Amino acid sequence: DGGITQSPKYLFRKEGQNVTLSCEQNLNHDAMYWYRQDPGQGLRLIYYSQIVNDFQKGDIAEGYSVSREKKESFPLTVTSAQKNPTAFYLCASSYQGANTEAFFGQGTRLTVV
Amino acid sequence: GENVEQHPSTLSVQEGDSAVIKCTYSDSASNYFPWYKQELGKGPQLIIDIRSNVGEKKDQRIAVTLNKTAKHFSLHITETQPEDSAVYFCAASSTSYGKLTFGQGTILTVHP
Repeated sequence: DGGITQSPKYLFRKEGQNVTLSCEQNLNHDAMYWYRQDPGQGLRLIYYSQIVNDFQKGDIAEGYSVSREKKESFPLTVTSAQKNPTAFYLCASSYQGANTEAFFGQGTRLTVV
Repeated sequence: GENVEQHPSTLSVQEGDSAVIKCTYSDSASNYFPWYKQELGKGPQLIIDIRSNVGEKKDQRIAVTLNKTAKHFSLHITETQPEDSAVYFCAASSTSYGKLTFGQGTILTVHP
């Protein structure tokens, strides 16, 4: 089945540690995105990538890093510089071009203690 | 950049009633307006979308209207059912690569 897979579903980390969230898609989509979701604030864009080996900052990129070495994969690292990392993280992908549907993964809930 | 405002933040209806969620956007260049439904603990799923060259679109019990002059668009759900209970997000896009700006979300509760 085609789709977008995020892992793990739940993640716990100690404060000060970096953590990497996985996102894989087999939809042959060129574009991939990372969003952060907090209660009452909707989805906010962290990073996006239109093609392999290229990515751009979104609205809230501080404290996060990404890589796009393969078309299928777009991992997100939450660094110790992120002041409030506890949140629900959503990965999405879409075809290149305007007016195209974005498909979302099931999300990773990160809790930093 | 684009800014999308969504109202109401919560909406409670009785089964069989209609539900309406409204969004406004700021960027007149926006031309794609999807609506997503998110169930608890899951990722959002597209339920309907509309493009700027269309004023209204229907899909069974769901419809979306767009007023480009006023820069607002609305989701209409008729004959609501308990399984319609979820969080609904509107979004807008004006770029060539599909970057979406989301509204804050509406928690819809349909009481049996």
